[in-house]
Amino acid sequence: EPEVTQTPSHQVTQMGQEVILRCVPISNHLYFYWYRQILGQKVEFLVSFYNNEISEKSEIFDDQFSVERPDGSNFTLKIRSTKLEDSAMYFCASRITGFSLGYTFGSGTRLTVV
Amino acid sequence: QQQVKQSPQSLIVQKGGIPIINCAYENTAFDYFPWYQQFPGKGPALLIAIRPDVSEKKEGRFTISFNKSAKQFSLHIMDSQPGDSATYFCAAHKETSGSRLTFGEGTQLTVNP
Repeated sequence: EPEVTQTPSHQVTQMGQEVILRCVPISNHLYFYWYRQILGQKVEFLVSFYNNEISEKSEIFDDQFSVERPDGSNFTLKIRSTKLEDSAMYFCASRITGFSLGYTFGSGTRLTVV
Repeated sequence: QQQVKQSPQSLIVQKGGIPIINCAYENTAFDYFPWYQQFPGKGPALLIAIRPDVSEKKEGRFTISFNKSAKQFSLHIMDSQPGDSATYFCAAHKETSGSRLTFGEGTQLTVNP
């Protein structure tokens, strides 16, 4: 079964450093998402991306965050200057079209900011 | 108005029991209501989903009941097994292009042998 692949599985970074979280969505999917989950809390939407641009973003997704699809396969989330409160699991997800059901989530990247 | 409220926060049942997890929403524009199952260290995985024009949907041991007038929906797990122990999230979605999933707070289910 096709999978959404995320790397790395765990990243530790110092406060103020930049991090890039990487995702390879399912190859024929067109809509891409980042969600995050602070430990013990619910999954929260960050951003959706379609046709090489952001289609929707949440209030969490401030100027410190950016997304990019640098080539035909990767989808990245960059946090410019990490804060302690950015520590969370970050999940990438993809859907084949905006009108289809069934997001597929990756296994996540655990980001720890120290 | 975008929130989805989920209860209980945690639930412990014996093997064979029928745990019930409840969710409520405010936004009547939501038109797709999935349930996700999440094991530790893994991403959420779609379990079952329902549209508001249907009052019940059953897939295997999992059943969603949907009450459109009350804006509530629930997940029932029949003949629960220890392997069902996981965190369950309800969610809601408005099927416009690219729109987000709004998740409930999650329910940690433990099924004792």
